[in-house]
Amino acid sequence: AQSVSQHNHHVILSEAASLELGCNYSYGGTVNLFWYVQYPGQHLQLLLKYFSGDPLVKGIKGFEAEFIKSKFSFNLRKPSVQWSDTAEYFCAVNAQRSSSGSARQLTFGSGTQLTVLP
Amino acid sequence: EAQVTQNPRYLITVTGKKLTVTCSQNMNHEYMSWYRQDPGLGLRQIYYSMNVEVTDKGDVPEGYKVSRKEKRNFPLILESPSPNQTSLYFCASSYGTSGNPWASSYNEQFFGPGTRLTVL
Repeated sequence: AQSVSQHNHHVILSEAASLELGCNYSYGGTVNLFWYVQYPGQHLQLLLKYFSGDPLVKGIKGFEAEFIKSKFSFNLRKPSVQWSDTAEYFCAVNAQRSSSGSARQLTFGSGTQLTVLP
Repeated sequence: EAQVTQNPRYLITVTGKKLTVTCSQNMNHEYMSWYRQDPGLGLRQIYYSMNVEVTDKGDVPEGYKVSRKEKRNFPLILESPSPNQTSLYFCASSYGTSGNPWASSYNEQFFGPGTRLTVL
């Protein structure tokens, strides 16, 4: 079964600092990768996604992520964080099954709480 | 406005008292799904539905039921709630591709606002 690891459970940064949140997955086949964000008291929203092509994906609000297949990683980055980026960030993976035909679902990591100090 | 709605948003109940959490989407999405979110565990899928009358188990289906009689609605039913079902529940929907289960869960999922359930 596929799994997703987010090793940073809580990250605290000052405004303008650079951000990198780690995400590793365990699956050897074709994957689709997502980062979702959950602002305090709100529902999850999609930040960015990778399906194929350029491994460097740009999302909303200045976020980007790089898919490194050899490292099974999809780390999220932002060069300069703002106080409004305080939220919980979830990495998710959707792995393609073989010919079984059974539907696949997103597997989420445990989340990283980002706190940005003003 | 395109959205996924859930009701109730907050619920406190007692062990064994059947309850239903409703989920409705107005985007004509084929794919719908229920997740529970617990601290340190992220989101775990409970059940999902590829289309009307088509449902399947996710990773943590025990103690839950679902139905999909209409495309827009996907209620989550707890027949006999227990304290370990205290959690934050999210419904999500996305476009599907008929006959292609892989593609259906490939699309961006839109999430509802969540239902915080406490079972005493």
